[in-house]
Formats: sequence, structure tokens, C-alpha cells
Amino acid sequence: RKEVEQDPGPFNVPEGATVAFNCTYSNSASQSFFWYRQDCRKEPKLLMSVYSSGNEDGRFTAQLNRASQYISLLIRDSKLSDSATYLCVAYNSNYQLIWGAGTKLIIKP
Amino acid sequence: NAGVMQNPRHLVRRRGQEARLRCSPMKGHSHVYWYRQLPEEGLKFMVYLQKENIIDESGMPKERFSAEFPKEGPSILRIQQVVRGDSAAYFCASSIPGTGGPRTQYFGPGTRLLVL
Repeated sequence: RKEVEQDPGPFNVPEGATVAFNCTYSNSASQSFFWYRQDCRKEPKLLMSVYSSGNEDGRFTAQLNRASQYISLLIRDSKLSDSATYLCVAYNSNYQLIWGAGTKLIIKP
Repeated sequence: NAGVMQNPRHLVRRRGQEARLRCSPMKGHSHVYWYRQLPEEGLKFMVYLQKENIIDESGMPKERFSAEFPKEGPSILRIQQVVRGDSAAYFCASSIPGTGGPRTQYFGPGTRLLVL
């Protein structure tokens, strides 16, 4: 079983819709979590950290459920520019980032 | 304010040749991380280095791969006698020094290695 698992998608969503995807992690000792965004053939870029109480950044909301060991990302009022692969990342130590394989999101006009 | 720089951006090698990938961290960053990404997969940690010191190379294949981060100059990821399976995107990230808690890693644009 992979340490961080994501549905690869693709999620095909009309512009303006709300979309959510989850990520599960197997290591209960994981300390911190992040969502990164990766555009095709580009480097990953930090989208947002995920806090235990849940956090929001504009149209993006991240949630952490430690009991069930999953994190989620919700995107409201989706834009064409949101099309990308979203990578879930668990932080297990001072430097080790464990990456999911990503969920591909396609926003259609 | 240059970010993490990697070169070359694209590298083509024939089987059996050597590949050298270079990474210059952001100014003020002394920690470097190398990752490999195969098509349709997430990033896989390879090695973590500080200046003149390998902290963790648990993700590095035991043979043909080596990494260094000298006192002066960029970090180098070296792959000897490349095989087709080495074809991938290799990303470098850097962070500031510090202890405790996650340090944000900033990524370079990657080097895409193609082995013919």
C-alpha cells in the first residue's frame, strides 16, 4: 500500500462548479500535510498547508481528518486556470516529504 | 531574486553514458533535495544534502547514482551508465536551514532526462 494515495482522475468539471478530492495517508505519525499544484511539465508549487482545524485560502479549502487519516481539497467557483494536477504531500520528519501521485483536474468551459 | 536553478533543462543520453544534473539553490538556502518523477507518478525522494554533507540518501539507488553539494558551486546529481529506466524528470528543491518542523521547499524547473 502506498504511503499517500490519491485518485488519479481525471476529474472533468465545468467552469464555475465546485470540486473536491481526497487523499489518504497510511502513516499515523505524519505531522503535517500540504497540497501542491503541478502544471504539465512544470515543477510543483505549494498551494496551501493543511491545518487540523481546516483552513481556507480564497476559493480553496483544505481539511484534515486525523481519525480517518485523510485530507481533502475543495475548490469553489472553479476557473479554467485551475486545471492542473494536485499533489497531496505528507511531512514525516524534518525533511522527508512523501508525495501522492496526484489527481488530475480538467476544468471545461 | 533568482529561484532554484537547474540545468540542463533537457538532457539526452545514450545507454551507458553518464548524466550530470546541476542544481543551484535559492540565495540563502543551504539545504538541497533531489526528487525523481516518472510519468504519471508522484515525486520520489532521492537524497538530502547540506553543504559538503549528505544527510540522507535513503532514496538513492545503490548503484550508478551519486550526489554532492560542494562548498562552492551547485549540487550535482550524477548518474553513471544510464539505462532507459533512468528516463524521468529530476527535480531539485532547496530550503533554509533550521530545526524542527517542516521547512518549505522551493522547487527548480527540473531536468528532463531521456535515455535512448
